Amino acid sequence: DSGVTQTPKHLITATGQRVTLRCSPRSGDLSVYWYQQSLDQGLQFLIQYYNGEERAKGNILERFSAQQFPDLHSELNLSSLELGDSALYFCASSVEQGGLNEQYFGPGTRLTVT
Amino acid sequence: AQKVTQAQTEISVVEKEDVTLDCVYETRDTTYYLFWYKQPPSGELVFLIRRNSFDEQNEISGRYSWNFQKSTSSFNFTITASQVVDSAVYFCACMEYGNKLVFGAGTILRVKS
Repeated sequence: DSGVTQTPKHLITATGQRVTLRCSPRSGDLSVYWYQQSLDQGLQFLIQYYNGEERAKGNILERFSAQQFPDLHSELNLSSLELGDSALYFCASSVEQGGLNEQYFGPGTRLTVT
Repeated sequence: AQKVTQAQTEISVVEKEDVTLDCVYETRDTTYYLFWYKQPPSGELVFLIRRNSFDEQNEISGRYSWNFQKSTSSFNFTITASQVVDSAVYFCACMEYGNKLVFGAGTILRVKS
């Protein structure tokens, strides 16, 4: 158990809908990362938040947004969903005390868009 | 920009065979980390090892061993005496400044009894 929690575990929704994925980092970790694993694109970095502020952006679509709250949990919002958004979404957290830091991954949320 | 290449899409072996998973990386940074993760059929990402770019010592952990060679930008992973429970997708990844992880495409390992 990495200490990172993600809810829900599974999500099935229809095209055009909006969903919110939730992540709670390990205790003491200030940084949260979101990754998407799809058949087409593999595992790719979406976005990073550090202590409530956006730190880095990867290949994140404009229909997707994220935020990190004062209690450090993070939410990834996916809107106007398309079939191609079906994927496994991982959240990871790290301490981020300078230099390179190991990331601890949550169990993932499997999103199916029908 | 970083790039990680895992040229082997899928490998099938018979139990007790040794198997090596290849990983080649590209980075412009002199300080970076390399990782291997295992993704079993249940889907979670299991951390296996982290290697600092300044440490080229090979590492062995039980049946697992890793060979890091900066001269060839490779970080290969060997499983000795493979077991059915080793069947999974294995990802190599690189982290440079900024802490973003760049993953390879993964290698599917199937170990048959």
